Amino acid sequence: GNSVTQMEGPVTLSEEAFLTINCTYTATGYPSLFWYVQYPGEGLQLLLKATKADDKGSNKGFEATYRKETTSFHLEKGSVQVSDSAVYFCALKTSGSRLTFGEGTQLTVNP
Amino acid sequence: ETGVTQTPRHLVMGMTNKKSLKCEQHLGHNAMYWYKQSAKKPLELMFVYNFKEQTENNSVPSRFSPECPNSSHLFLHLHTLQPEDSALYLCASSQDEGRGQETQYFGPGTRLLVL
Repeated sequence: GNSVTQMEGPVTLSEEAFLTINCTYTATGYPSLFWYVQYPGEGLQLLLKATKADDKGSNKGFEATYRKETTSFHLEKGSVQVSDSAVYFCALKTSGSRLTFGEGTQLTVNP
Repeated sequence: ETGVTQTPRHLVMGMTNKKSLKCEQHLGHNAMYWYKQSAKKPLELMFVYNFKEQTENNSVPSRFSPECPNSSHLFLHLHTLQPEDSALYLCASSQDEGRGQETQYFGPGTRLLVL
């Protein structure tokens, strides 16, 4: 079956620090990979996605590269802001399966 | 974002009440979903509708009753809930083209508290 393993949180950084949130997966078939973000009191927002190996998804300064050889889709941002404080979910989808989420990583950015 | 809207945003109800959650998607999608997000638990998929037909029910108790009158609207009817049903209920939609890798777009959620 499909599964997603995310870096355990919470993660606390200072403003302008470099961010990495690790995500690895197991999947049958060829998945599409997603990062969703959930700001306090809100629903999930799609942050970025990649649909095939070596694709790089990017949005709002965040990036993640679909690495088939390491079955990973790590989220990175070069300089975080206080407004990036949120919970980040890695997810995958294959044909015929439900969207599978990781457990989420809480990020807090301090000024 | 206004692609998927949910009302109400917050709801407090007693265990004997009947209430309904509403979801509307403005994206022209043909599939809609209900998820439950409880504190310290992974997201739980509850129901899936494709072209207004329910295609998945993940062993959800009958006190939750979904309704999908058309491909733009999805309801979750609630009756005789339990305090442990308190959670954030998220609606999502996607365009299912049979390739199985479609992107789901989420609404802001309804925060439900059952007293």
